[in-house]
Amino acid sequence: ETGVTQTPRHLVMGMTNKKSLKCEQHLGHNAMYWYKQSAKKPLELMFVYSLEERVENNSVPSRFSPECPNSSHLFLHLHTLQPEDSALYLCASSQDGWNLANTGELFFGEGSRLTVL
Amino acid sequence: GEDVEQSLFLSVREGDSSVINCTYTDSSSTYLYWYKQEPGAGLQLLTYIFSNMDMKQDQRLTVLLNKKDKHLSLRIADTQTGDSAIYFCAERGGATNKLIFGTGTLLAVQP
Repeated sequence: ETGVTQTPRHLVMGMTNKKSLKCEQHLGHNAMYWYKQSAKKPLELMFVYSLEERVENNSVPSRFSPECPNSSHLFLHLHTLQPEDSALYLCASSQDGWNLANTGELFFGEGSRLTVL
Repeated sequence: GEDVEQSLFLSVREGDSSVINCTYTDSSSTYLYWYKQEPGAGLQLLTYIFSNMDMKQDQRLTVLLNKKDKHLSLRIADTQTGDSAIYFCAERGGATNKLIFGTGTLLAVQP
């Protein structure tokens, strides 16, 4: 199993649909993240979970709803999205997410390419 | 606020050196990173430098940090076509402890 696995790799949905992105990490990490990657924009941190508790929510619209049932799994529930939400959504994990003693390396999945029609 | 800036595109010829530049605003950054994203893949850590260092060398890669100017660069010697990718600069905020990424620089290596 690769370190961080995301499904689906590609998703096309209409604005009225409800779908979910899934992320699973096999690295024994205790922090997980959702990032949004759009062309010509900085990689945007959306949500952070540390020890299954949400510790960061960067003013993300409520049409994006994260869920972290345990330290290995992270979901991003999507509903009534807009075309401008089309992007690559990247999941990442790290160990001791907020500990200054380590280098803070993030391990990324391959991403879910979302297209909203 | 914390901000990381880098140019969007760099083109070099195979065998030349590539230099990708980055500027950041947080003077209390603890670590600075270079991540590489190959086509169809997620980001992978390439190298990092602690904020009290000026330089770090790892085989073909040289990282230079100028804390006074808040400038970070990545030099790739003898650039190969396999180095074609997007390179992201990131800094770990001293106050927030979270990673802030730039836009990424697309490196195109011409044969």
